[in-house]
Amino acid sequence: DIVMTQTPLSVSVTPGQPASISCKSSQSLLHSDGKTYLYWCLQKPGQSPQLLIYEVSSRFSGVPDRFSGSGSGTDFTLKISRVEAEDVGIYYCIQGIHLPVTFGQGTRLEIK
Amino acid sequence: EEQLLESGGGLVQPGGSLRLSCAASGFTFSSYGMSWVRQAPGKGLEWVSAITGSGGSTYYADSVKGRFTVSRDNSKNTLYLQMNSLRAEDTAVYYCAKFTGTTVTRNYMDVWGNGTTVTVSS
Repeated sequence: DIVMTQTPLSVSVTPGQPASISCKSSQSLLHSDGKTYLYWCLQKPGQSPQLLIYEVSSRFSGVPDRFSGSGSGTDFTLKISRVEAEDVGIYYCIQGIHLPVTFGQGTRLEIK
Repeated sequence: EEQLLESGGGLVQPGGSLRLSCAASGFTFSSYGMSWVRQAPGKGLEWVSAITGSGGSTYYADSVKGRFTVSRDNSKNTLYLQMNSLRAEDTAVYYCAKFTGTTVTRNYMDVWGNGTTVTVSS
């Protein structure tokens, strides 16, 4: 199974400041079709997960442009340029190249 | 609007069975792979099972293989998870999710239901 490792596991951010979450996979997520199957979702308090970013850097419909994803191979980063109060929750990186689908441990974002 | 609505959760004794359902609307159900993902209390997300759009291929996490069975009825736009020989460690919120294509790899889960809670306890 592909192991997904996120750091940090918790981050506290002042509104308006940036935030960054790292995700590393135990195997490359680059497929021979040229796509990299890494995505990010956010689980807001009391809610189900929602897709934010797919294929490393593509924002899902309706996701604000303050969210961006980058990386390649086994190292990936989610950045929030200016954190807002509505961004609180747990962020998960997910690999979709091989079954079983595996998730990072989650990074809890709190507002200072 | 694409929507998923789970049902069927509840309290069950260890060794018991439960069948979860996930009713889909707002999209052509048979065109998309589907998945079950669970979240134990206070824990992260764990993939449980997946099924292709046609229902011809099914996949399971090792932790549930041989005990859980995923199926779908494309005429009813409904996904199922039959859970047998339940254990305390199966206690979780169970989410159904839609993949972005008919297959279950090289796709991602773009629509999630609100979840249904399964509690396994005597």
